[in-house]
Amino acid sequence: AQKVTQAQTEISVVEKEDVTLDCVYETRDTTYYLFWYKQPPSGELVFLIRRNSFDEQNEISGRYSWNFQKSTSSFNFTITASQVVDSAVYFCALRTLNTDKLIFGTGTRLQVFP
Amino acid sequence: GAVVSQHPSWVICKSGTSVKIECRSLDFQATTMFWYRQFPKQSLMLMATSNEGSKATYEQGVEKDKFLINHASLTLSTLTVTSAHPEDSSFYICSAFLPSPSGTYEQYFGPGTRLTVT
Repeated sequence: AQKVTQAQTEISVVEKEDVTLDCVYETRDTTYYLFWYKQPPSGELVFLIRRNSFDEQNEISGRYSWNFQKSTSSFNFTITASQVVDSAVYFCALRTLNTDKLIFGTGTRLQVFP
Repeated sequence: GAVVSQHPSWVICKSGTSVKIECRSLDFQATTMFWYRQFPKQSLMLMATSNEGSKATYEQGVEKDKFLINHASLTLSTLTVTSAHPEDSSFYICSAFLPSPSGTYEQYFGPGTRLTVT
């Protein structure tokens, strides 16, 4: 069975702090894709990153970075020097090669205070 | 980038009436679209997979007679909530698949439709 767990329901930080959002996934498939999406209060999902199971290189994009570790089935997301505009709900998701369906985690609500 | 639109963005209807939500891929053809439902402060739950020219595939627990899906063209899928009740009030999001040059498929999400049933 496929499953995505985001244990952190809500995180609050003060602007300029670094914050890491955890994501743990479960799948028996060897080929799969992991995603992070941002959902601001408007509701529209914003795609942040896609990582396939054969690429364990960590990625950095501006203030965002992702740490993919197959050994622990984790795909964590770090925001450096957080800003108020980062306040949103962040979803981690999994898609396997055998299915086109996206399995979402329960999301982490991030609040960045000025 | 690929754009998926939804119409309407929000709708209020009375209990017992039916509501149709449209999902369009604006600059690409999508043979497969997905419909999700998101209750307040919860995650997105897949309702059904909509395939152009064939019947939709519903997830377990989703009533196919209540949530009618029609994917009549490569750019349009519709979700009709029939005999809506207050518990159907939710945020409905569609997505469409677009093949990418790398051979994988990317999924693009619409902006969502907020349904309130009074």
